[in-house]
Amino acid sequence: NAGVTQTPKFQVLKTGQSMTLQCAQDMNHNSMYWYRQDPGMGLRLIYYSASEGTTDKGEVPNGYNVSRLNKREFSLRLESAAPSQTSVYFCASSRLAGGHTGELFFGEGSRLTVL
Amino acid sequence: DQQVKQNSPSLSVQEGRISILNCDYTNSMFDYFLWYKKYPAEGPTFLISISSIKDKNEDGRFTVFLNKSAKHLSLHIVPSQPGDSAVYFCAAPRSGNTPLVFGKGTRLSVIA
Repeated sequence: NAGVTQTPKFQVLKTGQSMTLQCAQDMNHNSMYWYRQDPGMGLRLIYYSASEGTTDKGEVPNGYNVSRLNKREFSLRLESAAPSQTSVYFCASSRLAGGHTGELFFGEGSRLTVL
Repeated sequence: DQQVKQNSPSLSVQEGRISILNCDYTNSMFDYFLWYKKYPAEGPTFLISISSIKDKNEDGRFTVFLNKSAKHLSLHIVPSQPGDSAVYFCAAPRSGNTPLVFGKGTRLSVIA
């Protein structure tokens, strides 16, 4: 049982390049999330998808787009990468939206460096 | 605005002693809290939670205490073990159906 799988695990980009982070979960969860972790900043929500077909902005959505491709997959796209987007990105899923309905299950993270 | 605050970036404790990690929140509407644990190069994993209808929840060596009047919760680890060395995040949903808001984390080092 893989849980939440993120690809790639590491990526180096030049300023202005674009890329997509892929995330897939095999737990039949309805909700999926993208967080970023920066030193001293904790985990900040970028976008989330409460259910297939819906997406909503989180705390720090600027510079990102997302696609909920199907129930299993939720991708995060950087259209024009900036050094401020250097971070570790975590995808997560939960059975239902909202913290009351059970914990989030996280992937191992994708470390992105923008030069 | 940071609605969940962990004011201690790091904590160092001797093996066998108690570790106490603190978390404060500003929104009195928060009614459910979670703690996550994160090892280097891994994703966070759920540790323990507490509902506002309780003031204590215990799971083995881990106990979370909630003081609603002070808007404060704490995670106690007794006894602390070297394998507990990790970053601990406090989290809460803004409301019942919204994603979790996380604190900045506290790095716990348990020294053998």
